Amino acid sequence: QSVLTQPPSASGTPGQRVTISCSGSSSNIGSNTINWYQQLPGTAPKLLIYSDNQRPSGVPDRFSGSKSGTSASLAISGLQSEDEAEYYCATWDDSLNGVVFGGGTKLTIL
Amino acid sequence: EVQLVESGGGLVEPGGSLRLSCAASGFTFSNYRMNWVRQAPGKGLEWVSSIGSSSTYIYYADSVKGRFTISRDNAKNSLYLQMNSLRAEDTAVYYCARVGSGELPLRRNWFDPWGQGTLVTVSS
Repeated sequence: QSVLTQPPSASGTPGQRVTISCSGSSSNIGSNTINWYQQLPGTAPKLLIYSDNQRPSGVPDRFSGSKSGTSASLAISGLQSEDEAEYYCATWDDSLNGVVFGGGTKLTIL
Repeated sequence: EVQLVESGGGLVEPGGSLRLSCAASGFTFSNYRMNWVRQAPGKGLEWVSSIGSSSTYIYYADSVKGRFTISRDNAKNSLYLQMNSLRAEDTAVYYCARVGSGELPLRRNWFDPWGQGTLVTVSS
């Protein structure tokens, strides 16, 4: 059972917009910045969003992050086939004194 | 180009030991906190351990505390993970990851980049 809760799966058709939620508590999302990682099949994770809503250079603006209270969301607009991947949220947990990850959300492009 | 290359994975029997290494290049290694993250087969990501730039602070996940030791050699641009008393549930791909900012504390930081990972299999 992960400290951060994500839906196990999400799906959408090309061009659609999809959102992936990440729910936590006051000791993690509520008091620290959240990051999102994309893991394409068979590859290492890659940073997608950092500090709640910042995109690293090279990440398309189709990807956006937001946070409110103890929850966060990753939005992907204009879905493309190459977006099919596993997405993880992560943040620091003040109670556990460590980094916590969500269980991951597998995005399928229909 | 910033690069992290892990090595040292392999097959080990339960109760055995293994030492992972991560060779860093393309950045000033001594300026950045470093981390280990693992992923069991078919499972999600699990943070394992973090170490400060001068080894001044170290954190471990409860699942490995007392069995794993993280360390670094800034002169050799290398990060290590000594794993003892290995269990079947430690079977995973182990990734080395740098923090994204050399200035921010872990609670405000992120992991970027990541290495390609090294597979550790604990089985008899």
